[in-house]
Amino acid sequence: NAGVTQTPKFRVLKTGQSMTLLCAQDMNHEYMYWYRQDPGMGLRLIHYSVGEGTTAKGEVPDGYNVSRLKKQNFLLGLESAAPSQTSVYFCASSPPARTASTDTQYFGPGTRLTVL
Amino acid sequence: GDSVTQMEGPVTLSEEAFLTINCTYTATGYPSLFWYVQYPGEGLQLLLKATKADDKGSNKGFEATYRKETTSFHLEKGSVQVSDSAVYFCALSLLDSGYSTLTFGKGTMLLVSP
Repeated sequence: NAGVTQTPKFRVLKTGQSMTLLCAQDMNHEYMYWYRQDPGMGLRLIHYSVGEGTTAKGEVPDGYNVSRLKKQNFLLGLESAAPSQTSVYFCASSPPARTASTDTQYFGPGTRLTVL
Repeated sequence: GDSVTQMEGPVTLSEEAFLTINCTYTATGYPSLFWYVQYPGEGLQLLLKATKADDKGSNKGFEATYRKETTSFHLEKGSVQVSDSAVYFCALSLLDSGYSTLTFGKGTMLLVSP
């Protein structure tokens, strides 16, 4: 049981390049989330998904797109990277609704992205 | 909107000292409250949680009590260890249409010296 995994762990991009971050979970969780962590800002929600094929915007969605084609995977895309997107990105998942721990999120190890 | 405010760090302590990290919240509903911990170079791990007023969450010697009257969820530990050095995040969660989103504080770094 690997929990929540993220690839890649590190990446350096040039301004204008695109990339996709992959998040995978093996806990059969319905809900998945993408956050970014910046110094002094805590974690801010980018996008989230409440099930396969559904996504929604979080607090800071601009410049990002997401897809949830399979229940276990949640992809975060940057179409045209900007230096302001330099950050550490965390994926999380949580159990289905109507379970006792549906409000508890489980986090991946993070992806450190630098945009030059 | 919903928000979490926690004390700024870093908090610097000697081993075996008493720890308090303050956390207060603002929420429109009745949230669940959490403390997450992030060790250097790692993701966040759930440390403890409380889902209703007067509940006490506890784990690894850490405790926090859900105080609705003061909208607070302060983290405490009686005797810290060097291995407790990490960043601690207070967070709240409100169930909305059956699912929840977490709102985090900015984090408090704890540094414990031998």
